[in-house]
Amino acid sequence: LAKTTQPISMDSYEGQEVNITCSHNNIATNDYITWYQQFPSQGPRFIIQGYKTKVTNEVASLFIPADRKSSTLSLPRVSLSDTAVYYCLVGDRVGANNLFFGTGTRLTVIP
Amino acid sequence: NAGVTQTPKFQVLKTGQSMTLQCAQDMNHEYMSWYRQDPGMGLRLIHYSVGAGITDQGEVPNGYNVSRSTTEDFPLRLLSAAPSQTSVYFCASSSPELAGGPDTQYFGPGTRLTVL
Repeated sequence: LAKTTQPISMDSYEGQEVNITCSHNNIATNDYITWYQQFPSQGPRFIIQGYKTKVTNEVASLFIPADRKSSTLSLPRVSLSDTAVYYCLVGDRVGANNLFFGTGTRLTVIP
Repeated sequence: NAGVTQTPKFQVLKTGQSMTLQCAQDMNHEYMSWYRQDPGMGLRLIHYSVGAGITDQGEVPNGYNVSRSTTEDFPLRLLSAAPSQTSVYFCASSSPELAGGPDTQYFGPGTRLTVL
């Protein structure tokens, strides 16, 4: 199972774009990259998922280079409400049991 | 839809007591999982189920039992509570993504358990 490495914490000012990078050097051919967001005292919430190149939705963008050994979650113009822990997961489609949450990146948005 | 619900929200136990954490989902999802989250840590998988009558162990199964008699419910039982089981417990459900890729997991609000 692919392991992931993320920065432990990041600070950003309101209105800035935030990029959180995740390393997954041992990613397998069938693995996808998924990001979850967790607010204090809540369960994680799905943000975005991708396999290669770029994926964009109403919340974020996910950039995946050709070698897929890393990925970058991009949050445009963050607000105070984006303060949360962000988890990068790598796994394939076989069930819900093979996605491992690491310690995540604690993003703090500063006014 | 209520999504994934968990009860109770908070619980305090004494060492050696047993209890059941309840989890229910109304999305007709096949897969359900239990995670624990310790302070400052990520989530660790305890047990999971890929359908009614089928369960399997995750990363940290010791001290916990599960059963899945219906699609909707997936209770987690602590047989003899220990202080090391003090944690926040999250239940999640998901369905296979027809378009490929891992399932999107939907998490409940969590149960905060303290074992004295």
